[in-house]
Amino acid sequence: AQSVTQLDSHVSVSEGTPVLLRCNYSSSYSPSLFWYVQHPNKGLQLLLKYTSAATLVKGINGFEAEFKKSETSFHLTKPSAHMSDAAEYFCVVSGPNFGNEKLTFGTGTRLTIIP
Amino acid sequence: DAMVIQNPRYQVTQFGKPVTLSCSQTLNHNVMYWYQQKSSQAPKLLFHYYDKDFNNEADTPDNFQSRRPNTSFCFLDIRSPGLGDAAMYLCATSREGRTGGIDTQYFGPGTRLTVL
Repeated sequence: AQSVTQLDSHVSVSEGTPVLLRCNYSSSYSPSLFWYVQHPNKGLQLLLKYTSAATLVKGINGFEAEFKKSETSFHLTKPSAHMSDAAEYFCVVSGPNFGNEKLTFGTGTRLTIIP
Repeated sequence: DAMVIQNPRYQVTQFGKPVTLSCSQTLNHNVMYWYQQKSSQAPKLLFHYYDKDFNNEADTPDNFQSRRPNTSFCFLDIRSPGLGDAAMYLCATSREGRTGGIDTQYFGPGTRLTVL
């Protein structure tokens, strides 16, 4: 079984300050981990993914995440928030490989940017 | 650009009136998924196709059906929409990787369904 916990349902930061969105996972095997972003009334856009290569993963729009196996964490960070970063962020872990991968989603973190 | 397209973006239907949502893709991916996402919730997988093989989630209501006439297109049919079916419906695609696993899922923009 696998699960993912997003520790904050809502994060507010001021424009130009760092962003930290926290995610912990549970998996009985070596997981693939993803962060997706969803702007209002839009589909999900892949920000970045970890698939057992480098533990520090760089994504689009200046985001990055670090896979820490000892802490079972995959936190998302960005050095300087921009107004356009305001959105819902989902941490996702991939399912077991039965030939059909299923995604397990976290409950989401809503990021608000304060001007 | 290769992409996942959903039509329409917004759909309004009446209680009990059948509705069909459309998804097409130019990625040539062999796996296609349908998710339901209600307000302030994570997406919930309804079913997926692995090539032509249909895989239904155990808790997907019988009211929801799907068709995949070819690699590029997939349809979601809601036979008798209820008020509780109002949601965003997301289509996603992925491909089988070289080692047999499934690669990243790519999502379309979604169709927001309103039931009156």
